[in-house]
Amino acid sequence: NAGVTQTPKFHILKIGQSMTLQCTQDMNHNYMYWYRQDPGMGLKLIYYSVGAGITDKGEVPNGYNVSRSTTEDFPLRLELAAPSQTSVYFCATHKTTEAFFGQGTRLTVV
Amino acid sequence: DQQVKQNSPSLSVQEGRISILNCDYTNSMFDYFLWYKKYPAEGPTFLISISSIKDKNEDGRFTVFLNKSAKHLSLHIVPSQPGDSAVYFCAASARFFGNEKLTFGTGTRLTIIP
Repeated sequence: NAGVTQTPKFHILKIGQSMTLQCTQDMNHNYMYWYRQDPGMGLKLIYYSVGAGITDKGEVPNGYNVSRSTTEDFPLRLELAAPSQTSVYFCATHKTTEAFFGQGTRLTVV
Repeated sequence: DQQVKQNSPSLSVQEGRISILNCDYTNSMFDYFLWYKKYPAEGPTFLISISSIKDKNEDGRFTVFLNKSAKHLSLHIVPSQPGDSAVYFCAASARFFGNEKLTFGTGTRLTIIP
């Protein structure tokens, strides 16, 4: 049982480039989330989804986009990457009130 | 506006002693609280939770206490073990009000000294 799988684990992106962080879950959970964690900071919610076809903004959505065409997949798109988007990104699913996290993607924008 | 606050960025405790991690919140609608543990290069993992209808929940070496009037919760680990060294996040949600999104604190890095 893989749980929540994120790819890639690490990536270096140039300023102005775009990329998609992938997140897949096999737990059939409706809720999915994208968080970012900056050094010394907590987890900030970027976007979330309560089910296929439904997405909504979190606390820090600027510079990101998401889609949720299936229950399993919740990709996070960065358009025109900026140094401020250097962070560790976590995808999570949600059952009742317990969240299950992926291992994270460490993204550096240079 | 930080609705969930962990005011101690770090804490060092001798092995075998009690570790106490604190968390304060400002949103009165929060009614469910969770603690997560995070090792380097891994995602956070669920540790223990408590509903606002309780003031204590215990699971082995881990106990969470909730003081609703003070909007404060704490995680007690006893006895502390070297494997407990990690970053601990407090999180809260407002389930009763239909808002299940988790709001996280900034974390406390716990170091257990052998």
